[in-house]
Amino acid sequence: LAKTTQPISMDSYEGQEVNITCSHNNIATNDYITWYQQFPSQGPRFIIQGYKTKVTNEVASLFIPADRKSSTLSLPRVSLSDTAVYYCLVGALPNYGQNFVFGPGTRLSVLP
Amino acid sequence: NAGVTQTPKFQVLKTGQSMTLQCAQDMNHNSMYWYRQDPGMGLRLIYYSASEGTTDKGEVPNGYNVSRLNKREFSLRLESAAPSQTSVYFCASSGVSSGNTIYFGEGSWLTVV
Repeated sequence: LAKTTQPISMDSYEGQEVNITCSHNNIATNDYITWYQQFPSQGPRFIIQGYKTKVTNEVASLFIPADRKSSTLSLPRVSLSDTAVYYCLVGALPNYGQNFVFGPGTRLSVLP
Repeated sequence: NAGVTQTPKFQVLKTGQSMTLQCAQDMNHNSMYWYRQDPGMGLRLIYYSASEGTTDKGEVPNGYNVSRLNKREFSLRLESAAPSQTSVYFCASSGVSSGNTIYFGEGSWLTVV
């Protein structure tokens, strides 16, 4: 299983762009990179997933360099409601029953 | 469109009591998971089931048992609850039909006194 390393916490101000980087040096060929968001007292929810290069959806962008040993979640123009814990998850396709392990996540605090 | 449903949402147990947390998903997923999350901590995998009829241990399986009753349901049982099992428990599922992402339930808050 690819182990991930993320910053424990980050602070930002409303309207700024936030970039959270995750290191996964031993990522395997079949592994995808997925980011989840968790608000207090709720289960994590899917934000974005990618395999290589760049992926963008209505919520965020995910940048993955060619060597895939790291990835960066980019949140454009954050608001107070983006205050949450963000998890980087690396693993093979879920329907294989892969033993996924969540890291400690990054606690993002957005300040007014 | 219920997704992943867990019951009960809240439970208080005395040390030594047993209980079962129920989980059901309606997305036709093959894989299901049970995680626990202690205050201020990340999620830790207890058990998972890659498909109906199979279960495997995760990171912290001691003190728990699971049953994959059918494709929809995956239960977690505490045979003799201990205060160290006070936590929030999340059930999750994943499969091709959901774009290969993991969907989580709303959580079950368990306190063992």
